[in-house]
Amino acid sequence: DIVMTQSPDSLAVSLGERATISCKSSQSVLYSSNNKNYLVWYQQKPGQPPKVLIYWASTRESGVPDRFSGSGSGTDFTLTISSLQAEDVAVYYCQQYYSTPRTFGQGTKVEIK
Amino acid sequence: QVQLQESGPGLVKPSETLSLTCTVSGGSISTYYWIWIRQPPGKGLEWIGYIYYTGGTNYNPSLKSRVTISLDTSKNQFSLKLSSVTAADTAVYYCARQGDVMGAAYFDYWGQGTLVTVSS
Repeated sequence: DIVMTQSPDSLAVSLGERATISCKSSQSVLYSSNNKNYLVWYQQKPGQPPKVLIYWASTRESGVPDRFSGSGSGTDFTLTISSLQAEDVAVYYCQQYYSTPRTFGQGTKVEIK
Repeated sequence: QVQLQESGPGLVKPSETLSLTCTVSGGSISTYYWIWIRQPPGKGLEWIGYIYYTGGTNYNPSLKSRVTISLDTSKNQFSLKLSSVTAADTAVYYCARQGDVMGAAYFDYWGQGTLVTVSS
């Protein structure tokens, strides 16, 4: 199984400031034949199912605000919220879809400082 | 707009079988992969497995001996059975669709989730 490890477990950021979440995979999720990283980021608010933010590690899902961006390749990935808004308070998960079983990071809780 | 809705008992006794159904509306189940995921209270997400519209399945090895996912295309539903449950199986269970935008196999539509508690 590919183990996904996120850091930090939680962070508190002031409104309008940048939030950065790291996700590391125990093996590469870069598929050499198409040069794509099989990684997705989800946002989960209390009492709701996860919602897709970013797929292919850096492609924003339709309708997702452009303050959310994803970067990285291979085994190291980052989700950045460029200017934190109150509605961004949530838990964020990375997940690999390179192989089965699909696996998730443990989640990072983002709060307002 | 595709919508998914889980249904089934919210309380299951230890050693019994947990059974849930996911009803898909706004689209046909006769395409895509259909997923079950669970989330213990206050914890992270665990992929249980999927069924393809052709009936092919793939389960998490950690649960494989106890899991069965099936499909009923006539009702646009798919189902989860998890046998020999213990308190560790207490979780919110989500059904979801695995999209396939040029091979991007992430979970693009989710049900709201249903809490299943294992207790006598």
